Amino acid sequence: QVQLVQSGAEVKKPGASVKVSCKASGYTFITNGISWVRQAPGQGLEWMGWISAYKGDTKFAQKFQGRVTLTTETSTSTAYMELRSLRSDDTAVYYCARDVRYVMDVWGQGTTVTVFS
Amino acid sequence: QSALAQPASVSGSPGQSITISCTGTISDIGGHDYVSWYQQHPGIAPKLIVYEVNNRPSGVPDRFSGSKSGYTASLTISGLQVEDEADYYCYSLTSATTRVFGGGTKLTVL
Repeated sequence: QVQLVQSGAEVKKPGASVKVSCKASGYTFITNGISWVRQAPGQGLEWMGWISAYKGDTKFAQKFQGRVTLTTETSTSTAYMELRSLRSDDTAVYYCARDVRYVMDVWGQGTTVTVFS
Repeated sequence: QSALAQPASVSGSPGQSITISCTGTISDIGGHDYVSWYQQHPGIAPKLIVYEVNNRPSGVPDRFSGSKSGYTASLTISGLQVEDEADYYCYSLTSATTRVFGGGTKLTVL
């Protein structure tokens, strides 16, 4: 079955970077894109960006432009999200999701990132 | 890109129907039919329940239905069940080919 498995929880200091992985299985990785979404504690969902697993093209929400890097490694069917210059308000659960024609149909389990001094 | 506008909360009794609205602009909901809805129970990843305005993935009960008129999309849940109590989010493609969520609606089944 189609599955996305994310890396484990992270604790980082302000100003540091974090890199979250998302390993896909059960489908041909390069046929779809991956979107990244985050959810701060007690808050709603926030779309961060998208990457084509085939070409590596990317799109970002304006607030994350320049601070987020999305990459994929087709040999291992893994997508990565790196967020730099972390602040306390970046504390959130970060999700990856398979993006099929602008629809996120399968989600990872989420990765908790805590920014803590 | 501002979040799409949803009511913060709605409620209903088992067996009743409720509708959650999601209002955007010509730059998102009003410009195409790539509108989805997601259900999220506490502590769990969101689940797709409606895509492209009014399509359901396999396994989603036909009690869940979507529609759109102008700049407003709607999710209707008929025959409410206790397990429908969750947060619901609308989601749309934008004219810049980015995406945007609604602020979320908490459904309480009384």
